[in-house]
Formats: sequence, C-alpha cells, structure tokens
Amino acid sequence: EPEVTQTPSHQVTQMGQEVILRCVPISNHLYFYWYRQILGQKVEFLVSFYNNEISEKSEIFDDQFSVERPDGSNFTLKIRSTKLEDSAMYFCASSEPDSLGDTQYFGPGTRLTVL
Amino acid sequence: DAKTTQPPSMDCAEGRAANLPCNHSTISGNEYVYWYRQIHSQGPQYIIHGLKNNETNEMASLIITEDRKSSTLILPHATLRDTAVYYCITLYTGRRALTFGSGTRLQVQP
Repeated sequence: EPEVTQTPSHQVTQMGQEVILRCVPISNHLYFYWYRQILGQKVEFLVSFYNNEISEKSEIFDDQFSVERPDGSNFTLKIRSTKLEDSAMYFCASSEPDSLGDTQYFGPGTRLTVL
Repeated sequence: DAKTTQPPSMDCAEGRAANLPCNHSTISGNEYVYWYRQIHSQGPQYIIHGLKNNETNEMASLIITEDRKSSTLILPHATLRDTAVYYCITLYTGRRALTFGSGTRLQVQP
C-alpha cells in the first residue's frame, strides 16, 4: 500500500541554524501538507500546498518557514533560523481530493530537537 | 469548522466493540465528519469519514445521527493494537486544514 515517507526520522540542530525536513508524498496525490505536534500538545496545521503554491497556511507558518516541491517527488519544509520552541514532531501528509471528501494520509514524522 | 466534543478517555475490553462518541452540534450541511487516530507518537492515521449516511470500511463503522449533531465510531472487535488517541474532526468541503482537538484516549484492556 502506498505511504508517505519522511526523512530524517530525527533531526538535532542548534538554535539559529536552518533545517530542511523532507517528505515523499503518495505519488498520485496533488495536495501536500505539513503539521506539527509539540510534545504533549495537539497536532497543529501549518500549511497546505497545491499546484506549486501555498493554498492555505496557519498563523504558525510565519516568514521563518517555507515549503517547496523541488522535483516531482519530494516536498520539503524549511525552517530558516530555528528557535527552541520549534522543537516538535513534524508530520507531512498528502491527499487526492474527490467528490467524497479529502482524506489526508500522514507520514511517520520527523522529530526536530533544537538545542 | 464545527467544534467537536469527545470524552477524554475510554476503556474497552479486548475483543469487544469500542464505541467512541463525538458531539458536533454546530455542524453545517457541507461539513464532513472525519475520524483519525494516533498511536503513540506516530503520524495520525485515517480511519473513516462521512457526510450524512452511515459508513463502514475494513477498520470501522461510522454512525451519524439523523440531525448530524453527533456521531459514533465503532471498532467492532477491539484489539490491543487499537489503543490510541482517536480524533473526531469536521471539515468543510473544499477546506484543507484539519483541526485536531484533544481526542479520546482509548485503552484496550486484555
């Protein structure tokens, strides 16, 4: 069964450094998403991406964040200058909306630790 | 998207049906009801969704009341691997951002 994959599984970085989290969505999906979950807290929507542009973003997704689909398979989340509070699990998801709704399939996540 | 209310926790005996309720009394006509679950710190896993009619798939059944103000997720024969946090989420047609609440922590007991 097709699945969303994410790399790395765990990323440790120093405060102020740039990080890029990578995702390979399900191949025939058209919408891509990033969510995050701070330890012990709710899963939070960050951004959705369609047709090579952001279609929706939350207040969390400020200028420090950017997304890109550099080729036909990868979808990346870049954090320009990491802060301690960016430490969280980051989940990528993808979907192929149809007349029955929009089911999003999530990857296993990348645990980002900012020191 | 409509606010959803779920009990914070439930227990279920292994092999028995688990019935997880969700209240979404302010739901509008073009909002779907989605159920996801999260096992430990893994990525959320889609279970089932519906608009008006009851739905069933290989994982679960979704029962939506006639007035659509509440729904119940049924896991017909719960196993230990079904221990997870279950999220009931409503989503307008055409919207993309899933809003996760605190969910129901289901503990399946041996």
